[in-house]
Amino acid sequence: AQTVTQSQPEMSVQEAETVTLSCTYDTSESDYYLFWYKQPPSRQMILVIRQEAYKQQNATENRFSVNFQKAAKSFSLKISDSQLGDAAMYFCAYLDNFNKFYFGSGTKLNVKP
Amino acid sequence: DGGITQSPKYLFRKEGQNVTLSCEQNLNHDAMYWYRQDPGQGLRLIYYSQIVNDFQKGDIAEGYSVSREKKESFPLTVTSAQKNPTAFYLCASRIRERGSGNTIYFGEGSWLTVV
Repeated sequence: AQTVTQSQPEMSVQEAETVTLSCTYDTSESDYYLFWYKQPPSRQMILVIRQEAYKQQNATENRFSVNFQKAAKSFSLKISDSQLGDAAMYFCAYLDNFNKFYFGSGTKLNVKP
Repeated sequence: DGGITQSPKYLFRKEGQNVTLSCEQNLNHDAMYWYRQDPGQGLRLIYYSQIVNDFQKGDIAEGYSVSREKKESFPLTVTSAQKNPTAFYLCASRIRERGSGNTIYFGEGSWLTVV
């Protein structure tokens, strides 16, 4: 089974500043997909960004970008110009070749005004 | 509107009772999933199904059962054998073929409390 590790249980960032959330994973597969999901207090899971492992270019979605290091099995999320609405739990996820999704334990992001 | 509907949103169960959580999707997705989330924890996979009439156990399947008789529906039964069922349950679905976005979409979740 694959494992996804988020080593930062909680982080804080000042509004308008930049923050990076870390994620590492363990796999023997060469082709896979990685995701970041946001879970606000409502508990609704919202897709933030996704990355295909075969693509070397890092994915970006507006203020959100990733640093994908395949050899290091690292997949960090950078949030630029942080906003109050970014406060939530963030989960890193891995999709394997058997179509199973694995989630990390999450990082709680606090945004200070 | 297209999406995933979970019901009920809140459910209370007495010890020793079985309960069934409903999950319906009108996205024409092949694969469906059930996850459990405990307070302050990540998501753990209970069961998943890639096609109708087929499903596989996830990491914490003991005490749970599912069926997949229709493409749109993937109900989860929490049996009395599940010793600590109080949790938040999330249903999800996605297109089966890889490369088709591969995004997993979630319902709004169901809270189950044992009283």
